[in-house]
Amino acid sequence: GNSVTQMEGPVTLSEEAFLTINCTYTATGYPSLFWYVQYPGEGLQLLLKATKADDKGSNKGFEATYRKETTSFHLEKGSVQVSDSAVYFCALSKGSGTYKYIFGTGTRLKVLA
Amino acid sequence: DTAVSQTPKYLVTQMGNDKSIKCEQNLGHDTMYWYKQDSKKFLKIMFSYNNKELIINETVPNRFSPKSPDKAHLNLHINSLELGDSAVYFCASSQETSGRVRNEQFFGPGTRLTVL
Repeated sequence: GNSVTQMEGPVTLSEEAFLTINCTYTATGYPSLFWYVQYPGEGLQLLLKATKADDKGSNKGFEATYRKETTSFHLEKGSVQVSDSAVYFCALSKGSGTYKYIFGTGTRLKVLA
Repeated sequence: DTAVSQTPKYLVTQMGNDKSIKCEQNLGHDTMYWYKQDSKKFLKIMFSYNNKELIINETVPNRFSPKSPDKAHLNLHINSLELGDSAVYFCASSQETSGRVRNEQFFGPGTRLTVL
């Protein structure tokens, strides 16, 4: 079946450090891939997405590239800020009529000033 | 102008009680979902409705019953609450597509349920 695996946290970085959160998926065909962010006390909100191989999603300095050959969608940011502290979820959804989204377990990021 | 709203935001109740959580979306989406998030932030799908029809019903106790009076609303009723039901419950919505490309989901702010 379809699944998403993301690195366990917490990830603790100093401000302006480089961030990578790994995400790999298992699915046949071409699922749509998403990164969501959850700030403390809030719901999840879409950070970026990609819908086909080699697509790069980007938003607020975050980027992720849809890599079909390695079935990965790693999240990166060149210089993190304290305000980026949150939980990040990788997710996939595939095909019409399934209506289901598969989420990873979430990775907590803490950025220190 | 909140896209997906839930009420209440906090719910504290005794074991054995019955409670409801309401969800409304003003995005015109045709599909709505309920998720349960545990203390470790793990997100689990519970139910999904498309055009008021139940299409996903994961392994959830019968004490949980969703109801969708119309496409914009999806409520969750929980009977005989147990300690293990304590969690944050999120409502979400999306617009389904007929093709390969999938749209994102929009989440509500969550309802923190505490069962004492």
